Amino acid sequence: AQSVSQHNHHVILSEAASLELGCNYSYGGTVNLFWYVQYPGQHLQLLLKYFSGDPLVKGIKGFEAEFIKSKFSFNLRKPSVQWSDTAEYFCAAASIQGAQKLVFGQGTRLTINP
Amino acid sequence: GAGVSQSPSNKVTEKGKDVELRCDPISGHTALYWYRQSLGQGLEFLIYFQGNSAPDKSGLPSDRFSAERTGGSVSTLTIQRTQQEDSAVYLCASIPNEQFFGPGTRLTVL
Repeated sequence: AQSVSQHNHHVILSEAASLELGCNYSYGGTVNLFWYVQYPGQHLQLLLKYFSGDPLVKGIKGFEAEFIKSKFSFNLRKPSVQWSDTAEYFCAAASIQGAQKLVFGQGTRLTINP
Repeated sequence: GAGVSQSPSNKVTEKGKDVELRCDPISGHTALYWYRQSLGQGLEFLIYFQGNSAPDKSGLPSDRFSAERTGGSVSTLTIQRTQQEDSAVYLCASIPNEQFFGPGTRLTVL
């Protein structure tokens, strides 16, 4: 069965700390990978996506993610977080064939203390 | 339109009533998805439309749930005889591969 797993349920950091959120996926074939963010009271927004090519992808607001095929991982990183990064982060995968529906991880709540 | 819009933004209903949730996708995009976000289950796929047909409805949790799409545009998700476990935020998204999401409809079943 297709699944996405996020390692951390709740992460608490101070401003300027570095961030890494783990994501692993289990799929039968080739997938596209995504990170979405949901700020408090707002709807899901796409942070970044990986389809093919350079495994290090850069997204909005200074976020980046690295696709490591051998580890079935797609971890999200940011060198220096800000208070405004407080949000919930969702990793998702979609098969490149068929409906291309998203399978989401459980989400990671990130709290940044000023 | 410029983005995906959904209505109503909030819906409170009594157990056993039927509800209809509406999605207006990005203009011209043929793919449309419904998901729901709930505390217990996280984000779950419900149904996918390509044009007016639904080749994948595998995520609909029961036969009380149905959806249709007309004119390759607006979609309606209908939940019959609502139950408390149907309480969730129902999200609509369009464009395959990137799936831009609408703001959702928060459904509360009392």
